[in-house]
Amino acid sequence: NAGVTQTPKFQVLKTGQSMTLQCAQDMNHEYMSWYRQDPGMGLRLIHYSVGAGITDQGEVPNGYNVSRSTTEDFPLRLLSAAPSQTSVYFCASSYSGLGQGHGYTFGSGTRLTVV
Amino acid sequence: DAKTTQPTSMDCAEGRAANLPCNHSTISGNEYVYWYRQIHSQGPQYIIHGLKNNETNEMASLIITEDRKSSTLILPHATLRDTAVYYCIVRVAIIGGGADGLTFGKGTHLIIQP
Repeated sequence: NAGVTQTPKFQVLKTGQSMTLQCAQDMNHEYMSWYRQDPGMGLRLIHYSVGAGITDQGEVPNGYNVSRSTTEDFPLRLLSAAPSQTSVYFCASSYSGLGQGHGYTFGSGTRLTVV
Repeated sequence: DAKTTQPTSMDCAEGRAANLPCNHSTISGNEYVYWYRQIHSQGPQYIIHGLKNNETNEMASLIITEDRKSSTLILPHATLRDTAVYYCIVRVAIIGGGADGLTFGKGTHLIIQP
């Protein structure tokens, strides 16, 4: 049982390049989400999904796209990377619904630098 | 989601109990108190949550005041590995019911001293 797996762990991009950050979970969680964490700051929600085929925007969605074709995978796409997107990205998943009590399980993060 | 207030940093001696306070004076009746921690460079880790009763698990205890306006996370026997940023988060427990996700503030940087 791997939990939440994020790849790659590190990435350097040039301004204007595109890439996809991968996130996969093997816990059959309905809910998945992406956060970014800038130095010295808390996490901010980018996009989330409450199930396959359903996605919605979080607090800071601009510059990012997501899709959820399967329960297991929730990739985050940067369409045209900008230096302001230099950050650590975390994927999280959870059961949804009241009273599940499991909390969110986070991946180990992808450290992205845009030069 | 209700706003929370936590001290910026705290020290605790190894082997002693670490008591981390959180103020959430505007909490609503359907909002839970969640605690997460983030060890340097790692993803946040769920610790415990509660609604109004005190809770205990293998990691920690959560004490919520009767008026629910504040809570304390207790690590009973702190070790060096408990050095981390601890986040107190208040939110409803229903996922997918509108504005979603966890709102992370800056948390409390707990430093366990040898």
